[in-house]
Amino acid sequence: DAKTTQPTSMDCAEGRAANLPCNHSTISGNEYVYWYRQIHSQGPQYIIHGLKNNETNEMASLIITEDRKSSTLILPHATLRDTAVYYCIVRVSGGNQGGKLIFGQGTELSVKP
Amino acid sequence: GAVVSQHPSRVICKSGTSVKIECRSLDFQATTMFWYRQFPKQSLMLMATSNEGSKATYEQGVEKDKFLINHASLTLSTLTVTSAHPEDSSFYICSAPGPTSGELFFGEGSRLTVL
Repeated sequence: DAKTTQPTSMDCAEGRAANLPCNHSTISGNEYVYWYRQIHSQGPQYIIHGLKNNETNEMASLIITEDRKSSTLILPHATLRDTAVYYCIVRVSGGNQGGKLIFGQGTELSVKP
Repeated sequence: GAVVSQHPSRVICKSGTSVKIECRSLDFQATTMFWYRQFPKQSLMLMATSNEGSKATYEQGVEKDKFLINHASLTLSTLTVTSAHPEDSSFYICSAPGPTSGELFFGEGSRLTVL
């Protein structure tokens, strides 16, 4: 079963920052927080992941609370093409032997003009 | 990033026939691949873990004789839906762990329609 809780849906104005929250209060010490998104009728796309430090890449920033029980994905300047379902997943990492991803219901983000 | 490719992207078949879907890691080797199924307006559901050179591990409730998985090489896993019925119509997606950083890369998905 999924071990994360996310809002069902969110709206964001184009050009503004989109902040997507995720609760993972039962996360284990060796589990990472992963974020993926799925645009309609496509395979999921990797966005970012982290263990305890905040992370940033060309797509987004990931802010993880100090107790690691929640996190926020930030899309700094949302565009219409960012409209998708965003999944927050906890998973044991480990390269080619990494654990499976169990998807929850995700957050449906709608970016509006 | 690493690329995972699925084929076919769309397939329509008659009820009772079998359909094979291929999942390839294009520029890396994957001893493990994962198969998911997604119904309309629902999330992805993990079906099974494909292990190179050994039997697949199926999630609870997934019929192993219905969904045959073969992982004969380090770059190819196949999912065969045997004796397909309309209720098997779904979006099937595979994924594989990348070679270095641990994130899973997903294929484009294969949409199966059983008439």
